[in-house]
Amino acid sequence: EAQVTQNPRYLITVTGKKLTVTCSQNMNHEYMSWYRQDPGLGLRQIYYSMNVEVTDKGDVPEGYKVSRKEKRNFPLILESPSPNQTSLYFCASRHYRAPNEKLFFGSGTQLSVL
Amino acid sequence: KNQVEQSPQSLIILEGKNCTLQCNYTVSPFSNLRWYKQDTGRGPVSLTIMTFSENTKSNGRYTATLDADTKQSSLHITASQLSDSASYICVVTILTGGGNKLTFGTGTQLKVEL
Repeated sequence: EAQVTQNPRYLITVTGKKLTVTCSQNMNHEYMSWYRQDPGLGLRQIYYSMNVEVTDKGDVPEGYKVSRKEKRNFPLILESPSPNQTSLYFCASRHYRAPNEKLFFGSGTQLSVL
Repeated sequence: KNQVEQSPQSLIILEGKNCTLQCNYTVSPFSNLRWYKQDTGRGPVSLTIMTFSENTKSNGRYTATLDADTKQSSLHITASQLSDSASYICVVTILTGGGNKLTFGTGTQLKVEL
């Protein structure tokens, strides 16, 4: 089954404790992206990657890091989480050279930073 | 500033009734407009994608329309079901040189009741 898999589904942590949210897709998509969703705001892009070893900042990259060492994986790293990073996070992917293709989303990771 | 505005913010209808959700955008240059359905706590799922030249697109009981001149889109849901209860998000894609950029609306929260 074609899917984007995120882990963990829920995560509670404390300020300053490094964490990684994993994202994996099995559709051989070139393009992958991370978003955060907060109440009253639309999804906002954090980082995106157009292919292996190619990443770029989205609209709200501060406090986040990403890497794209393999085509299928695109982890999101919070080196020193803060309470304002409490949010619902989504990973998404699609074929890069087809802008009208569907963007497939993962099921989300609900992060709480205390 | 590129913006996507949706109305109403929330809506309650009775099962079996029809409803129409609105999306206005100021995004430029326009590539495509998408409607997504997001169940509570889940990732958005694509319903329709329309390019500049398409006026209407259907997906089962969901029909999206696009007026590129007035920069307006609507999503019509026919014979609503309880399972239609979700947030419906309008997303407009901007043409960019290095990977198209998506601008998300804040969504319309639809509740279908018996």
